Amino acid sequence: AQSVTQLDSQVPVFEEAPVELRCNYSSSVSVYLFWYVQYPNQGLQLLLKYLSGSTLVKGINGFEAEFNKSQTSFHLRKPSVHISDTAEYFCAVTLSWGLTGGGNKLTFGTGTQLKVEL
Amino acid sequence: EAQVTQNPRYLITVTGKKLTVTCSQNMNHEYMSWYRQDPGLGLRQIYYSMNVEVTDKGDVPEGYKVSRKEKRNFPLILESPSPNQTSLYFCASSIRDRGHNEQFFGPGTRLTVL
Repeated sequence: AQSVTQLDSQVPVFEEAPVELRCNYSSSVSVYLFWYVQYPNQGLQLLLKYLSGSTLVKGINGFEAEFNKSQTSFHLRKPSVHISDTAEYFCAVTLSWGLTGGGNKLTFGTGTQLKVEL
Repeated sequence: EAQVTQNPRYLITVTGKKLTVTCSQNMNHEYMSWYRQDPGLGLRQIYYSMNVEVTDKGDVPEGYKVSRKEKRNFPLILESPSPNQTSLYFCASSIRDRGHNEQFFGPGTRLTVL
């Protein structure tokens, strides 16, 4: 079975500073990877996804992530954060299409709370 | 507007009183799923449905039931709620299509069981 590890439960950062939120996954088969954001008292919104192709994926709100198969990582980065980026960020994985249960069942990490300070 | 709706958004109930949380999507999605979110545990899948009349257990199904009689609706039923089911619940839906795996989430239902 696949699993996701987000080592940092909280990441404080000053506004306009760069940030990296770490995500490592474990799977014996091919996977798809996602980052979701949850703003306070709201549902989850997709930031970006990696399905195949270029390992550098760009998402909404200036975020990007890089898929590294050898290190089984999918870290999320933003070069300059804003107060409005304060939210909880979830990394998630699903099996690649064609595999049993693949393509739909999301396994989430435990989340990283990003707190942007002035 | 394409969306997933959940009702109610907030619910306080007592142990043992049966309740249903409704979920509806207007995107004609085949796949629907329920998750619960707990601090420090992230989101965990309760049940999912690949299509009408096709449902299966997720990672934490104990104490929950679901049904999928229509494509757009996927209610979550708690026959006898207990305090350990106090949580934030999310419904999600997606199409079943190669390479298109974005799941759309509802706004969440915050359930408190006393």
